[in-house]
Amino acid sequence: EAGVTQFPSHSVIEKGQTVTLRCDPISGHDNLYWYRRVMGKEIKFLLHFVKESKQDESGMPNNRFLAERTGGTYSTLKVQPAELEDSGVYFCASSQGVFQGWGTEAFFGQGTRLTVV
Amino acid sequence: EDQVTQSPEALRLQEGESSSLNCSYTVSGLRGLFWYRQDPGKGPEFLFTLYSAGEEKEKERLKATLTKKESFLHITAPKPEDSATYLCAVQAIRGGTSYGKLTFGQGTILTVHP
Repeated sequence: EAGVTQFPSHSVIEKGQTVTLRCDPISGHDNLYWYRRVMGKEIKFLLHFVKESKQDESGMPNNRFLAERTGGTYSTLKVQPAELEDSGVYFCASSQGVFQGWGTEAFFGQGTRLTVV
Repeated sequence: EDQVTQSPEALRLQEGESSSLNCSYTVSGLRGLFWYRQDPGKGPEFLFTLYSAGEEKEKERLKATLTKKESFLHITAPKPEDSATYLCAVQAIRGGTSYGKLTFGQGTILTVHP
C-alpha cells in the first residue's frame, strides 16, 4: 500500500513568488492534515480536511495560505505571496475517518522543505 | 491551550544502556497521546497511541506508558538503529467534540553509540 506522498520534496523560491505544495493521502483516508515545522520549533498544525471539507483551519497563519482538497482526494497548499518566515518543512498526514473528524493514527508524508530567499 | 513538553532535548546512550524519555502534557481533555519516531529527512513514523492513564504498549525495545500528566517512552537495551528524534503529540477533546489535530512537543533527539 502506498503511503502519503508529497511533491515537491524541496522548493526554493524568492520572496513574493507563489508556491504550491501537493499531498496525495493514503487511498481511502477521509482525514487529511497539513502541518509545518519551522527551524528550531515544534511541528505545528495548519488545517484539517474531512473528505473535501475544511474541518479545522485554526492553524493557518494568514490569508496568504490557501488549502484545497479536490474531490476528497489529493490536497494542495498554496502560499501567495511567499515571505521569508514561511520557510520550513511542510508535512501532510492522513488517517481513516470516523465521526467528528478524528480517527486512528495519522500517517505522515516525507515533507516538503520550502526555502524562501 | 494544549501544551506538550518533552525532556530531555537530547539524549546520548551507549548501546545496551536503557533509559526513558519524558512527555509532559496539558490538555483540556485527552483523546489520545501519540508517540512518533522521525529520522532525518523523513516524516514522523507512528509508534504508539495511548488513550487512558495506566495504559502501556510495547514494540520491540520500546515501551510507552501514560499517566494523567505525562507519558514515558522506555527504551530497553537500545541499538544504534534506534537513533532518531522521538516525538510526542496529544489529540484533544473539547466540549464533547474530538479534534483530529495533533499538538506536538519539540522532540527528544536520541543518539545510541555502538
